[in-house]
Amino acid sequence: GQNIDQPTEMTATEGAIVQINCTYQTSGFNGLFWYQQHAGEAPTFLSYNVLDGLEEKGRFSSFLSRSKGYSYLLLKELQMKDSASYLCAVRDRRFLTSGSARQLTFGSGTQLTVLP
Amino acid sequence: DADVTQTPRNRITKTGKRIMLECSQTKGHDRMYWYRQDPGLGLRLIYYSFDVKDINKGEISDGYSVSRQAQAKFSLSLESAIPNQTALYFCATSDRGNSGGPAGELFFGEGSRLTVL
Repeated sequence: GQNIDQPTEMTATEGAIVQINCTYQTSGFNGLFWYQQHAGEAPTFLSYNVLDGLEEKGRFSSFLSRSKGYSYLLLKELQMKDSASYLCAVRDRRFLTSGSARQLTFGSGTQLTVLP
Repeated sequence: DADVTQTPRNRITKTGKRIMLECSQTKGHDRMYWYRQDPGLGLRLIYYSFDVKDINKGEISDGYSVSRQAQAKFSLSLESAIPNQTALYFCATSDRGNSGGPAGELFFGEGSRLTVL
């Protein structure tokens, strides 16, 4: 099975930097995703890490340490529109009767509130 | 138009009723999923299908069934709805990783909010 932990809530100020952490325990690790979800809307893809290190995408960066079972999402120059839930999701390899398959399991999400 | 379309978007029903949530996609993806989302519990996988002849249970399949009618259509049924199935349901699709994005990246529908009284 899998265990994915991330903080429930965070608050930050417009223009600041915030780091959202995610720790996981899984067998057959095969990648980690971050999704953004605004209230009442569908999750949308933000970033993907499968190797150790930092992936940068504009104001958003994501870091992975496979040995530590740890990832973080870094949001710079926060804007009000960044207020949303941020979901950490881990992919692992599951073995089914039809052969190997990879499934994505989500953490509970971190609700980020950006204040003016 | 959305690439992944869910119907209905909102539904209120009574305990014991049969409910079907439908999902269709125009992304040409082989893989389709049904998740439910509850406050504080995140997204949990109900069922998934990697092609038309493949159906697999997720972590919370009890009380649900699915049908993959075609590559583009994947429906979720609640044979006899109960109040603790009140939730926001998402359909999602993914490809095999040959479209430039990471394999397994999910594309979600807009969600179906189900209330069981």
